[in-house]
Amino acid sequence: QVQLVQSGAEVRKPGASVKVSCKASGYSFTGNFIHWVRQAPGQGLEWVGRIIPTTGVTKYAQIFQGRVTLTRDTSVRTTYMELTGLTSDDTAVYFCARESDYSTSWDPGFDPWGQGTLVTVSS
Amino acid sequence: QSALTQPPSASGSPGQSVTISCIGTSSDVGRYNYVSWYRQYPGKAPQLMIYEVDKRPSGVPDRFSGSKSGDTASLTISGLQAEDEAHYHCSSYAGGSTLFGGGTKLTVL
Repeated sequence: QVQLVQSGAEVRKPGASVKVSCKASGYSFTGNFIHWVRQAPGQGLEWVGRIIPTTGVTKYAQIFQGRVTLTRDTSVRTTYMELTGLTSDDTAVYFCARESDYSTSWDPGFDPWGQGTLVTVSS
Repeated sequence: QSALTQPPSASGSPGQSVTISCIGTSSDVGRYNYVSWYRQYPGKAPQLMIYEVDKRPSGVPDRFSGSKSGDTASLTISGLQAEDEAHYHCSSYAGGSTLFGGGTKLTVL
């Protein structure tokens, strides 16, 4: 069973950094891109970026450029998202999601998703 | 790049059909046939319901269908059931990045 399991909730003060992990199981880790998406309370989804597990090559949404870093450790089948310079606007649930196996196109949809990690930024 | 535009809410009675729109631009929805739709229950992760505009993943009922015309994509749910009450999000490939809509809360009356 394909599964993504994320690390637990985090609380940080403004200006701090946070690193969230996403551990994959049930499939060949290097076979599918991993994306990160966040959802502020009561809001819609917002794409953060993606990483290619085989090469580590990343692509980030422009609004996060310079503040977010995606990395991976293939030995433990885990992807990481680090966000720096946190403000209260970064309070959100952060999801990792795998590109689906339904197609080999540029965007075959995201399936499955991790369970989400709540990051709270508060002084 | 701006988010895609969805109506904040939609509703329908059991057995009826409802259509949710997702408006993009010629740089995303209008340019690529890579629109996805996700269902999200409260406190849960999104679930893929439609990919590549009109394709259904295995296990998704054929009551769910997707389409696109120009810069606007649509999700239609026919034969509404109580379990369809959820938030629905659209997304589109935008040339190396992904855009999402603001989400639509579907209420089954």
